[in-house]
Amino acid sequence: GAGVSQTPSNKVTEKGKYVELRCDPISGHTALYWYRQSLGQGPEFLIYFQGTGAADDSGLPNDRFFAVRPEGSVSTLKIQRTERGDSAVYLCASSPQRDSYEQYFGPGTRLTVT
Amino acid sequence: GNSVTQMEGPVTLSEEAFLTINCTYTATGYPSLFWYVQYPGEGLQLLLKATKADDKGSNKGFEATYRKETTSFHLEKGSVQVSDSAVYFCALSDGSNTGKLIFGQGTTLQVKP
Repeated sequence: GAGVSQTPSNKVTEKGKYVELRCDPISGHTALYWYRQSLGQGPEFLIYFQGTGAADDSGLPNDRFFAVRPEGSVSTLKIQRTERGDSAVYLCASSPQRDSYEQYFGPGTRLTVT
Repeated sequence: GNSVTQMEGPVTLSEEAFLTINCTYTATGYPSLFWYVQYPGEGLQLLLKATKADDKGSNKGFEATYRKETTSFHLEKGSVQVSDSAVYFCALSDGSNTGKLIFGQGTTLQVKP
């Protein structure tokens, strides 16, 4: 079956611009996670959705970052006024439920801010 | 706070060598522990997991035992193959009601024929 997909696979933007990153989770998965992975580091948690609501957004670095999941399926991560330090790979993962212990990761979106 | 520390890489081995990648953690409560693997050009995949002390996770010849007394979850394989070349991440789920993962920094394994 189809796995988690993320679009675009690569995004280059100028400092100060707005970007949207999209995640299509596995069908039927209620839990959805966003992580950010900087070069040479492990993924860092950003935000968790259970259904449509953001149940934990404690990992968002500041108020320039925002994410939505309006229908409980596709999610969009939005970054305003991008900075060079936002350059990273943004990973999305979904899970059948929050305590299923296995998260299925997408291939990521590589964001480069010039 | 909760954290995961992995041994520095890269690790370079010859085919059929024994592999150990060290992982230690700091956590309150009773976390679940995981090893994820990222093959070149692919997304992160769960390799194995252990949800309580003394559990052994195993998959594809890899094993790791949840050691509460030493707060460790070292990854081992008796005989590595070239196809095992990848980046390996140790992670924990802190038992909160979110299931979010906390990852180590990753260890690159290169296996030479």
